[in-house]
Amino acid sequence: AQSVTQLGSHVSVSEGALVLLRCNYSSSVPPYLFWYVQYPNQGLQLLLKYTTGATLVKGINGFEAEFKKSETSFHLTKPSAHMSDAAEYFCAVREFYGNKLVFGAGTILRVKS
Amino acid sequence: DTAVSQTPKYLVTQMGNDKSIKCEQNLGHDTMYWYKQDSKKFLKIMFSYNNKELIINETVPNRFSPKSPDKAHLNLHINSLELGDSAVYFCASSQVLSGGETEETQYFGPGTRLLVL
Repeated sequence: AQSVTQLGSHVSVSEGALVLLRCNYSSSVPPYLFWYVQYPNQGLQLLLKYTTGATLVKGINGFEAEFKKSETSFHLTKPSAHMSDAAEYFCAVREFYGNKLVFGAGTILRVKS
Repeated sequence: DTAVSQTPKYLVTQMGNDKSIKCEQNLGHDTMYWYKQDSKKFLKIMFSYNNKELIINETVPNRFSPKSPDKAHLNLHINSLELGDSAVYFCASSQVLSGGETEETQYFGPGTRLLVL
């Protein structure tokens, strides 16, 4: 069975600092991996995804993530945090054959001025 | 244009009532989903329909019944509402590719915030 673990339910960074949100997954087959962002009282917006090919994927708003099969990780990074990045971030996994997304518990990102 | 829309956005109701949440997507997708986000923000799939046919039915009380009148709509009907049903319900959709595989990206609606009193 697939599962997703997001380390740290809350992450706080200063504006301009590096953002690192951690995600580890378990899957018996090569997965598809996603990061979604949820702003307060809004729906989920796709930030980026890994399917096949290049393991470093770039998304919207300057975010990127790297798929590391050996570490079963898909950590999300951004070189310089902006106040508008404050939101909750969800990592999700979907098996290659199947259409069920399994989400992590989410990480709330707080950006301090 | 809104790709995946849900109505209502907010729903406040009494225990024991029956309510419906509607979802429509204008993306031409074949597969639609319902997810529940609980008070701890944990997101879990409830149902999935592919071209009006139920393909995923997680362990959900049978008070919850999805209905798909056509492939652009997936409504969620909830009977005898309970306090624990209070949550945010998200609808999503994705495309079936030519080989029959479901496209990997799911597009989410804005959510319906249900509060049962």
